[in-house]
Amino acid sequence: GAVVSQHPSRVICKSGTSVKIECRSLDFQATTMFWYRQFPKQSLMLMATSNEGSKATYEQGVEKDKFLINHASLTLSTLTVTSAHPEDSSFYICSASGGFLNTEAFFGQGTRLTVV
Amino acid sequence: LAKTTQPISMDSYEGQEVNITCSHNNIATNDYITWYQQFPSQGPRFIIQGYKTKVTNEVASLFIPADRKSSTLSLPRVSLSDTAVYYCLVDSPGQKLVFGTGTRLLVSP
Repeated sequence: GAVVSQHPSRVICKSGTSVKIECRSLDFQATTMFWYRQFPKQSLMLMATSNEGSKATYEQGVEKDKFLINHASLTLSTLTVTSAHPEDSSFYICSASGGFLNTEAFFGQGTRLTVV
Repeated sequence: LAKTTQPISMDSYEGQEVNITCSHNNIATNDYITWYQQFPSQGPRFIIQGYKTKVTNEVASLFIPADRKSSTLSLPRVSLSDTAVYYCLVDSPGQKLVFGTGTRLLVSP
C-alpha cells in the first residue's frame, strides 16, 4: 500500500523555538495532505488541510501564524510550530490522499513534540 | 460531514469475535464508510472500507445495511495485538477526514 513518511518521530525543543515536521508521500502524489493533533487518550483533531501549491485551510480555532503549513510539492508538506510553548506538546499526525486511491487516506507515523 | 457514534470502549478475550457498531445517520450518497485502527503513539492504519452490503478482507469484515445509517466492523478471533482504538469514519473523495471518539478495544488473555 501507499506509504506516508513523517519526520521526525520524536522531538524535544525549548520553549520559544520553532520546530518543523515533514510529511512525505513516498509512492504517490498527494494533492491533499491533512495535519492532525492528538492529545493523550483523545481522538485526532484536524488542524488544517494542505493543498499543493495553495494556502492551507485551517480549522476554526487553529492559529495559522503559529502553525505554518507549506505544501510546495506533490510529495511534501511541512508543519512548523512557531514559538512553541509547553501547551503545544502533543502528537502531530499527517495524512495524505490522492493519486490512484480516491478515498483511502494514509497516515504518517506521527511526531511526538515535547516543549520544555 | 456525517457525524459518527460508536461505543467508547469494549472488552473481549483472545479468540473471540468482536463486533463494533457505528452509527452515521446523516450519511450522504457519495460517502464511504472507512475504519481505521490506531495503536498508541502511532498514526491510524486503514483497516477496511465499504459503501454498502458486506466487504471482507484478510483482517476484518464490514457489514453495512441497506439504509447505510450504521455499519459494523467484525474482527474474527481477536488476539492481544488487536488491542487498539478503532475509528469509524464517513468520508467522500477529496473531503477532509474528521475523527470521532473511536472505540477503545481491550483484548485480554
